[in-house]
Amino acid sequence: DAGVTQSPTHLIKTRGQHVTLRCSPISGHKSVSWYQQVLGQGPQFIFQYYEKEERGRGNFPDRFSARQFPNYSSELNVNALLLGDSALYLCASRMAGTGVADTQYFGPGTRLTVL
Amino acid sequence: EDQVTQSPEALRLQEGESSSLNCSYTVSGLRGLFWYRQDPGKGPEFLFTLYSAGEEKEKERLKATLTKKESFLHITAPKPEDSATYLCAVRFNAGNNRKLIWGLGTSLAVNP
Repeated sequence: DAGVTQSPTHLIKTRGQHVTLRCSPISGHKSVSWYQQVLGQGPQFIFQYYEKEERGRGNFPDRFSARQFPNYSSELNVNALLLGDSALYLCASRMAGTGVADTQYFGPGTRLTVL
Repeated sequence: EDQVTQSPEALRLQEGESSSLNCSYTVSGLRGLFWYRQDPGKGPEFLFTLYSAGEEKEKERLKATLTKKESFLHITAPKPEDSATYLCAVRFNAGNNRKLIWGLGTSLAVNP
């Protein structure tokens, strides 16, 4: 079975530009979450989507937005990039629910570098 | 305050030298404690989920245990390929919702 996939793998942008990151969840998973991880830190929660609706939002500025499509894939958009947005962006999917359905599985991440 | 703390921050072992990593938490209404392994520049790889005190799970050289205040990840006779950062996350009830808090991780280096 395919795991969570993310694209692109790496991305280099300049300050002020816009970026779109993409994620495809594991088949059958309806919940997708986005995280930002800087070196030496744990993942920081950005958004959670379930059944195409936003179900949670972390402490990130409005420059960050996301959406989930009918096939449960998701996009994370970041506008007006800042140097501090350089990080590994992780997508995680889960079936949603309780018990084993609550376990998140992560994709390989997108490494974003802002120059 | 709801918190997840991992210790030590970094650990260096010789191949074959068993040890334990700790994840302590101060939350109420625990819904699950998750262990992940993360290699540099890659996404976290799921290892275990523990739900209640006394629960134990094993996978190859790893064994995770859970008490009401903390979890241990025991590594028996580690090999160099076990070198990675090990992350702990806790999901708990927060009002009508559930929250997930991550620890900062333990960076493990196993020398041959």
